[in-house]
Amino acid sequence: DVKVTQSSRYLVKRTGEKVFLECVQDMDHENMFWYRQDPGLGLRLIYFSYDVKMKEKGDIPEGYSVSREKKERFSLILESASTNQTSMYLCASNTAAGVGYEQYFGPGTRLTVT
Amino acid sequence: KNEVEQSPQNLTAQEGEFITINCSYSVGISALHWLQQHPGGGIVSLFMLSSGKKKHGRLIATINIQEKHSSLHITASHPRDSAVYICAPKRGGATNKLIFGTGTLLAVQP
Repeated sequence: DVKVTQSSRYLVKRTGEKVFLECVQDMDHENMFWYRQDPGLGLRLIYFSYDVKMKEKGDIPEGYSVSREKKERFSLILESASTNQTSMYLCASNTAAGVGYEQYFGPGTRLTVT
Repeated sequence: KNEVEQSPQNLTAQEGEFITINCSYSVGISALHWLQQHPGGGIVSLFMLSSGKKKHGRLIATINIQEKHSSLHITASHPRDSAVYICAPKRGGATNKLIFGTGTLLAVQP
C-alpha cells in the first residue's frame, strides 16, 4: 500500500515563527502536492513538485515556500507564520506514469498559529 | 462562480437508504476523482473515472463528460459511510492539478 506520512498531526506555533511541515511518501512517486483545507473553501493547492528540486506554484502560494531535495520528501515552509495560516495542511503524491493519476493523501497536519 | 459545484452540501440519511451526491463542473477535464474524508481523518480516493460508470462494493460513480456532471451513489447506506465526500476533477491537458468541490457532509443515522 502507498503510504504518505506527515511529520505532525497537530502543531501550535506563534506568529512570526518559521514553520516546517514535512511529508514523506514511500512509493517512489514523481509528483508531490501541498494543500490547505479550510471550512467552506475546500482544498486549495499551495505548491506542487514534479521532480526533485522542481516546483510549481499552486493557487495560493503567497506566504509559503517548498523544498524537495529528495524524491520521497516534500517540505512546506512558512517563513513567518501568521494567524491566517491557521488551517489543515494535507500532503499528497502520485505517479506521473501511473493509470489515472490517483493522488494519495497523508493524514493531515492541523496547524494553529497564535 | 466556483468551477466545481457539489449538491447537496449536507445530507442526512437513515441507514439502508440509497444516497446520491452530485457534482457539476464548468471546465474541461480529463478525469474526475471522488474522495472520502472521515472526521479528523485523512483523505482516501474512492474512484477515478474519465467515462461511464465504476462500481466498488456499495459505491457507484458515474460521469457524463459532455454534460459536465458526475454522481456518486451509495446503496444500502450504513453509519460508517458518514463522512465528507469531495468531487475533484482533473483539468484537461498535461497537468496533474485537481480542482476541488467544497464537499458534501453525509450523516447516516442508525
